[in-house]
Amino acid sequence: DVVLTQSPLSLPVTLGQPASISCRSSQSLVHSNGHTYLNWFQRRPGQSPRRLIYEISNRDSGVPDRFSGSGSGTDFTLKISRVEAEDVGVYYCMQHSHWPHTFGQGTNLEIK
Amino acid sequence: EVQLVESGGGLAHSGESLRLSCAASGFTITNEWMYWIRQAPGKGLEYVANINKDGSEKYYVDSVRGRFTIARDNAKNSLYLQMNSLRVEDTALYYCVTGGGRLWGQGTVVIVSS
Repeated sequence: DVVLTQSPLSLPVTLGQPASISCRSSQSLVHSNGHTYLNWFQRRPGQSPRRLIYEISNRDSGVPDRFSGSGSGTDFTLKISRVEAEDVGVYYCMQHSHWPHTFGQGTNLEIK
Repeated sequence: EVQLVESGGGLAHSGESLRLSCAASGFTITNEWMYWIRQAPGKGLEYVANINKDGSEKYYVDSVRGRFTIARDNAKNSLYLQMNSLRVEDTALYYCVTGGGRLWGQGTVVIVSS
């Protein structure tokens, strides 16, 4: 199985400051069709996960542009340019290039 | 409103069965791969099974293969998960999810006791 390793697992951030989460894969996430199916999710307290980013860098509808994704191959990053109070929650990366699809362990973002 | 609503969770004893349902509204699942994803207490997210658009392809995580069956009824805009031979370790919040994780339901809780 593909193992996704997120870091850090805990991310205290001051309001208005940037934040960055890394997701590293145990193998390349480039699918045989050339696409890289690496997505990012946000889970706010008490809510279901919400997809923020798909295929490395594409923002979902309604996602603020302070969220951005980048990377390739086995190394990926989610960045928040200026953290707001509503960004508190757990962030997960997920791959669906290989079965079984797998998730990272999650990164808990909190406000300092 | 576009949404997925799961039902069918509850309390079962080890070895028993449960059937989860997921009703989609506001959109058609016909054009979507569909997934079941779960989260056990204190654990991370785990894919359980997925099914392609016409139901001809199904994939399962090793821990449930042979015990769980994913199915869909596109005419009813619904997804199902038949869970047999339940184990304590199947205890989790089960989510119905569209392909790639675009849309999630609110989840239904399954608790399996020994």
